[in-house]
Amino acid sequence: KNQVEQSPQSLIILEGKNCTLQCNYTVSPFSNLRWYKQDTGRGPVSLTIMTFSENTKSNGRYTATLDADTKQSSLHITASQLSDSASYICVVRSNYQLIWGAGTKLIIKP
Amino acid sequence: NAGVTQTPKFRILKIGQSMTLQCTQDMNHNYMYWYRQDPGMGLKLIYYSVGAGITDKGEVPNGYNVSRSTTEDFPLRLELAAPSQTSVYFCASSSPPRDRTPTGELFFGEGSRLTVL
Repeated sequence: KNQVEQSPQSLIILEGKNCTLQCNYTVSPFSNLRWYKQDTGRGPVSLTIMTFSENTKSNGRYTATLDADTKQSSLHITASQLSDSASYICVVRSNYQLIWGAGTKLIIKP
Repeated sequence: NAGVTQTPKFRILKIGQSMTLQCTQDMNHNYMYWYRQDPGMGLKLIYYSVGAGITDKGEVPNGYNVSRSTTEDFPLRLELAAPSQTSVYFCASSSPPRDRTPTGELFFGEGSRLTVL
């Protein structure tokens, strides 16, 4: 069964600190992997899309990594800001289907 | 540029009532989707459309219907609302995918929170 699992379920860090969110997937065949940011009460917004051949991709203070061999991805947030408080969702595409993780809820405290 | 617009934002229904969630996009995207998001769960695809006049079922279509008469609009109809349909509903549209499969970059609306009592 195709699955995307994210950890931790929730995370609280202080403003200015770094953090890393994890995504493990058991999806076949693999097409690409996406990270979305979802603010409370809003729709998801794309942060990055990674294909099989990409190991690292950055979008400002967000850096995503992909290890297709171990079927793991991570999202690293550098120098966190209050506006980073949100849910971060990992999504894996398999052919035409998108398999969504449940998300990691990140809270940044001042 | 409004992007994807959903209405209403909030709605309370009684069991057995029907209603339509409206979705419109102004990006001229061919592909549109309806998802539901339940607490602690990943988004689930209800229906999708690859163009005007063409719709298809997603993972959880039971209890819902859609139509796509224009490129811009993709309404979702709930018939005979049930408590299990209490959820947050998201409409999305996608830009042309690079490899001609219907999952290019997704742009989401703000969501419609539905409660069935």
